[in-house]
Amino acid sequence: GENVEQHPSTLSVQEGDSAVIKCTYSDSASNYFPWYKQELGKGPQLIIDIRSNVGEKKDQRIAVTLNKTAKHFSLHITETQPEDSAVYFCAARSGANSKLTFGKGITLSVRP
Amino acid sequence: DTEVTQTPKHLVMGMTNKKSLKCEQHMGHRAMYWYKQKAKKPPELMFVYSYEKLSINESVPSRFSPECPNSSLLNLHLHALQPEDSALYLCASSQGVARSGANVLTFGAGSRLTVL
Repeated sequence: GENVEQHPSTLSVQEGDSAVIKCTYSDSASNYFPWYKQELGKGPQLIIDIRSNVGEKKDQRIAVTLNKTAKHFSLHITETQPEDSAVYFCAARSGANSKLTFGKGITLSVRP
Repeated sequence: DTEVTQTPKHLVMGMTNKKSLKCEQHMGHRAMYWYKQKAKKPPELMFVYSYEKLSINESVPSRFSPECPNSSLLNLHLHALQPEDSALYLCASSQGVARSGANVLTFGAGSRLTVL
């Protein structure tokens, strides 16, 4: 089955700096890659996603890039703000079934 | 309405109790999911309902019993749970479960379960 690795497990950045979170996946048939943000006491919320026929997608301060050859995708957050502090999960949906496989999550801390 | 609503937000139960978690969505989604999330871990899939029929059971113990009364509601019945079942239980929904990847998961806020 699909295996999603997420690195690093924690990341601390200064407010205003950029943050990059990288994930790798194992199943070359995976075709959908969402990123979820989970704040304390809340459920995961989709912040951006990308499909396998696209290499990059941007939404204001957030962007995701996908490298199918290397089987990795990355979340880029620019001009970070304290409210960006949360746990971020990457995920991949395998082409073999509809199951979404999550990475282990990264705790992002933005220092004011 | 773009929300998935879960009740109760918190539940404390003993190992001999019977309780239920409830989930509701009014987005017209035809697939609904139960996930279990332990602290500092990613969500783990438990069950998937597609068009009100159970389509995936991830080998979940029978002390967890899902029910989908209609396309908007999803229940999780709990009986004879163990302390290790204490976790955040998340409900999610999507338009469908097709392999195309076009189905975005929308999560609820979760029900925090503590088993004593």
